[in-house]
Amino acid sequence: GAVVSQHPSRVICKSGTSVKIECRSLDFQATTMFWYRQFPKQSLMLMATSNEGSKATYEQGVEKDKFLINHASLTLSTLTVTSAHPEDSSFYICSASTDSATNEKLFFGSGTQLSVL
Amino acid sequence: QKEVEQDPGPLSVPEGAIVSLNCTYSNSAFQYFMWYRQYSRKGPELLMYTYSSGNKEDGRFTAQVDKSSKYISLFIRDSQPSDSATYLCAMSAQGGSYIPTFGRGTSLIVHP
Repeated sequence: GAVVSQHPSRVICKSGTSVKIECRSLDFQATTMFWYRQFPKQSLMLMATSNEGSKATYEQGVEKDKFLINHASLTLSTLTVTSAHPEDSSFYICSASTDSATNEKLFFGSGTQLSVL
Repeated sequence: QKEVEQDPGPLSVPEGAIVSLNCTYSNSAFQYFMWYRQYSRKGPELLMYTYSSGNKEDGRFTAQVDKSSKYISLFIRDSQPSDSATYLCAMSAQGGSYIPTFGRGTSLIVHP
């Protein structure tokens, strides 16, 4: 299957700092990538859809100025949590689709555990 | 009513048991059905995907879709402790880059 690499796997930072998470599709080109947030024992909560070369589409309730997404190439999307606060602590996961028409095959990164002190 | 309903469990079974995991959905536009496995603090891994009603088998896993009842299942034969994980169903519709909708996941525990 396709490989999606996500870095870093774990981040601990002080309140007020910004954190950047990278998501790369290693062996395929992804015109669409998705960013999710997951709380313990909860399902995936879609935050935004990242489209190469255009602005991301954010889900209702997700602050676009707080969670900056950049999809600069067909293999790289980044999520920057700006001025992070303890309530932003969560597990963030990216995924990439090999078929943007159906999205029936999503390949996920290994996730990033963000802890804001 | 949520678009996709999935019992969170946990479901605890002995090693070697046949496991049945299920999801129901309400959106009749869904055409693509997927099952993902997620180990703790890891990203989900695509296990199975299918387009139509009926069964699809891959090793110990069988995905079943009943569109008339809006019900999908994942069966795991000869379950192993290594199958212990959370299983998420997901589904999407064609056209307009339809975003997959995920169930909340069922936690499975296979004990030796």
